[in-house]
Amino acid sequence: AQSVTQLDSQVPVFEEAPVELRCNYSSSVSVYLFWYVQYPNQGLQLLLKYLSGSTLVESINGFEAEFNKSQTSFHLRKPSVHISDTAEYFCAVSRTGFQKLVFGTGTRLLVSP
Amino acid sequence: EAGVTQSPTHLIKTRGQQATLRCSPISGHTSVYWYQQALGLGLQFLLWYDEGEERNRGNFPPRFSGRQFPNYSSELNVNALELEDSALYLCASSLNQGGNQPQHFGDGTRLSIL
Repeated sequence: AQSVTQLDSQVPVFEEAPVELRCNYSSSVSVYLFWYVQYPNQGLQLLLKYLSGSTLVESINGFEAEFNKSQTSFHLRKPSVHISDTAEYFCAVSRTGFQKLVFGTGTRLLVSP
Repeated sequence: EAGVTQSPTHLIKTRGQQATLRCSPISGHTSVYWYQQALGLGLQFLLWYDEGEERNRGNFPPRFSGRQFPNYSSELNVNALELEDSALYLCASSLNQGGNQPQHFGDGTRLSIL
C-alpha cells in the first residue's frame, strides 16, 4: 500500500522569502505524484503533477516540485512567496493503473508581511 | 468549462438520519470519486465510480454507499448518521486512464451532525 508523509503541519514564512514543503512517499510500485492546494472553504485545486519524464515539474504560479526516486520525495518549492499563497497544501500519490489518491496530512503555509 | 459541482453546500442532520450528497462531474469525465475530510483525520478515500459501476471502496462501513447515474453524476448516501460523520465531503472527477489523469475537485459539502 502507498503512504504519504508531510512532516511539517505548519510552515510560517515571510512574504518574498523562499519556501519548501516536504513530501515523502512509500510505495513498492511505480506511482504518480501530485500537489494540491486548498484555500479556506474551498475544495482542492491541482497545483502540479509528476507522471513520468522530467523529474522537475512546474506550475503556472511559480511553484515547482522535484521527483527524487532514490529518496522517495516530491518536495514543493517556491523561490518567493506571496501573501496569497497562504493555504493548505496536500501531497498525494496514486499507484499506476489505479485511481485512488492517497493524501498526506497536509501542510499549512502561513505567509506574513 | 464548468468545474465539478456539489450540492448542497451545507447539510445539517441529526444522529440516525440519512444524508444524500450530490456531485456533477466535469463534462467528459466518466470517473467520480468521493473523499471525506474530517478534522484531524485528513483526506480519506471513500468511493470510486466509473461508467456507472463502483470500482473501488475505501475503509468505510457499508452505511456509506452511492451510485453513479447514466449522465455520470453521482450521489453519496450516508445512513444511520453518527457524530463522527461530521466532515467536508469532497467529490472529484477525472478521465479514466489508469490513474495518470489528475482528479479535479468540487468545493465540497459540509455535513454537520447534531
